[in-house]
Amino acid sequence: GIQVEQSPPDLILQEGANSTLRCNFSDSVNNLQWFHQNPWGQLINLFYIPSGTKQNGRLSATTVATERYSLLYISSSQTTDSGVYFCAVEPQEDGGTSYGKLTFGQGTILTVHP
Amino acid sequence: ETGVTQSPTHLIKTRGQQVTLRCSSQSGHNTVSWYQQALGQGPQFIFQYYREEENGRGNFPPRFSGLQFPNYSSELNVNALELDDSALYLCASSLVRGNTEAFFGQGTRLTVV
Repeated sequence: GIQVEQSPPDLILQEGANSTLRCNFSDSVNNLQWFHQNPWGQLINLFYIPSGTKQNGRLSATTVATERYSLLYISSSQTTDSGVYFCAVEPQEDGGTSYGKLTFGQGTILTVHP
Repeated sequence: ETGVTQSPTHLIKTRGQQVTLRCSSQSGHNTVSWYQQALGQGPQFIFQYYREEENGRGNFPPRFSGLQFPNYSSELNVNALELDDSALYLCASSLVRGNTEAFFGQGTRLTVV
C-alpha cells in the first residue's frame, strides 16, 4: 500500500518563529488533507489540498502531486499551534478512482514555547 | 449544520467483552469511515460504509464489524476485546465515497483492562 512519511517527527519552536512541515507519499493520490490533532484527540481540518497552494491566516500549504510531496507552513507560531500535525492521503486506485480510505503519516509533534 | 459526533467519549471494558461505538455523520454526508489510533501513532483505516454497505476494509480481523443506518449514522462493534484494542476510535464522514474532504468526530477513547 501507499507509504506516507512526515518530517520532522518533532519540532520545538519559540513563539513567533516560522516552520515548515513536510509530507512525502509513495504513489499517486486523489486527495491530501492536513490535520491538527488537539490535546483531546479531535482531528481539526486545516487543508484539503490534492494539488496547488492554499492559505488560511498564518497557515499555508502546497502540494506538488507530480513530485509526491506536500508542505505545511506555519508563520508567526503561537503556543496554541502546539500539538500533532498529520498529513493524510487518499490513494488513487486502478482506473483513477478512489474510495475515501485515508492513509496517515506518523505525524509531526510541534511544541511552541512562549 | 451539525458536525460529526461520537459517543461515548470514554469507555473502559474488560478483556473478552464486546463494545459498540456510535457515530452521527455530518448533515448531508452519506459515507462514514472508522479509524483506530493507538498511542503515538497515526490513525489506521478500519472500514468504510456507504449507503448502508461496507465499502472497503483495512487490515483488521472480523471481530471488528459495523453497521450504517438509513440516516447514515454508524456503529462500530468489537467482539472479544483484547488489550491491544485500547485506542482512540475516530469516525469520519464525507459527502461522497472518494475525492472529497473528510471530517472527523472527537473520538471515543477505549481502554481494555
